[in-house]
Amino acid sequence: GAVVSQHPSRVICKSGTSVKIECRSLDFQATTMFWYRQFPKQSLMLMATSNEGSKATYEQGVEKDKFLINHASLTLSTLTVTSAHPEDSSFYICSAIPTGAYNSPLHFGNGTRLTVT
Amino acid sequence: GENVEQHPSTLSVQEGDSAVIKCTYSDSASNYFPWYKQELGKGPQLIIDIRSNVGEKKDQRIAVTLNKTAKHFSLHITETQPEDSAVYFCAATFGRAGSYQLTFGKGTKLSVIP
Repeated sequence: GAVVSQHPSRVICKSGTSVKIECRSLDFQATTMFWYRQFPKQSLMLMATSNEGSKATYEQGVEKDKFLINHASLTLSTLTVTSAHPEDSSFYICSAIPTGAYNSPLHFGNGTRLTVT
Repeated sequence: GENVEQHPSTLSVQEGDSAVIKCTYSDSASNYFPWYKQELGKGPQLIIDIRSNVGEKKDQRIAVTLNKTAKHFSLHITETQPEDSAVYFCAATFGRAGSYQLTFGKGTKLSVIP
């Protein structure tokens, strides 16, 4: 149980275009999802907390206008990288916790490798 | 905020030997400590976790120990196998489901040599 699906797994886009990444909880509802960014050979850095039905909470230094987050339902959060540039190339990973499941572990998706050319 | 230090950054062991990865945390209020295994090109997978009300937890070849006084916790893998090769991350947090944010260590690249 507690499967988190992320799509696409890989995406290549041209500089200046926007890319949308989807994160779905397949067998549970998730009021809260988290978006992380990971550079090669580095740890996971939390970008933002996505809350169903309300605005996302962004970490310091993360541009909310560049990384648009929409948590429209209890099973889907999307991250849109707007006007992408080569420096946005990275591995983006989402995670989710079952709603109301206190003390439940955090489950991660398999990540999206974004390459901006 | 929480700060998690993880050592070593790389670890090579012979197949069948044990591997130990250590982490320290700074916030004494942290009460949940998961360990994740990340294979190349994939997201992290939870392999074991421990809460602050216990000192040790074991699941087959994997065990985690926690010393709240010293604020450190360790991952122990026994009888290592080549498929154990991956990057391992420790993490710490305070809070309950839906409201907590994990602080990760920098990761340990484990290589198991056949």
